[in-house]
Amino acid sequence: DQQVKQNSPSLSVQEGRISILNCDYTNSMFDYFLWYKKYPAEGPTFLISISSIKDKNEDGRFTVFLNKSAKHLSLHIVPSQPGDSAVYFCAASAYDFNKFYFGSGTKLNVKP
Amino acid sequence: ETGVTQSPTHLIKTRGQQVTLRCSSQSGHNTVSWYQQALGQGPQFIFQYYREEENGRGNFPPRFSGLQFPNYSSELNVNALELDDSALYLCASSSRTSGNQDTQYFGPGTRLTVL
Repeated sequence: DQQVKQNSPSLSVQEGRISILNCDYTNSMFDYFLWYKKYPAEGPTFLISISSIKDKNEDGRFTVFLNKSAKHLSLHIVPSQPGDSAVYFCAASAYDFNKFYFGSGTKLNVKP
Repeated sequence: ETGVTQSPTHLIKTRGQQVTLRCSSQSGHNTVSWYQQALGQGPQFIFQYYREEENGRGNFPPRFSGLQFPNYSSELNVNALELDDSALYLCASSSRTSGNQDTQYFGPGTRLTVL
């Protein structure tokens, strides 16, 4: 049951430009969303989160937008840096659930 | 503050064998979740332990079992290994208070290869 989907397996962006990573979900009970970054041979690293009472959360160069009616969230990275090159996973859960559902990931390549 | 640690880093087993993977949670965290990440996919939830009891389970057969200890560290046991069990196994710890979910912090994972 693929309740969280990342339809773009890869994205290539020039350094200094904006990176936009997208994520869709199907379960309307989800009310907490996160983005993780993963480098090879490491576990996912928490990046930023948003709860369903908000439609935007910002942390430095990273901003997550949530569109509940479209069941869509996106991660914006501005400006993109080569060190941002990694696989990005979105994840979702509901407060009365005990687990997070992950998308399949988007591999971001930021070119110098 | 100590992060999430997992052991071993890599493991090779043969079909039918049993394996135990270990996880030490981040200090102050009382909840441990285990995930299986197959190549090219996102992590898939196996189960979660909260205060030494199973607190939710994904679509994995009973040969996947676990334990959580009083110090909140945890084990994942897999019996009768199958080739499809080859994957990266991730442990994540979090702090669950008043029934609210909290961000999960991941360890580096254990790469299991079943031959």
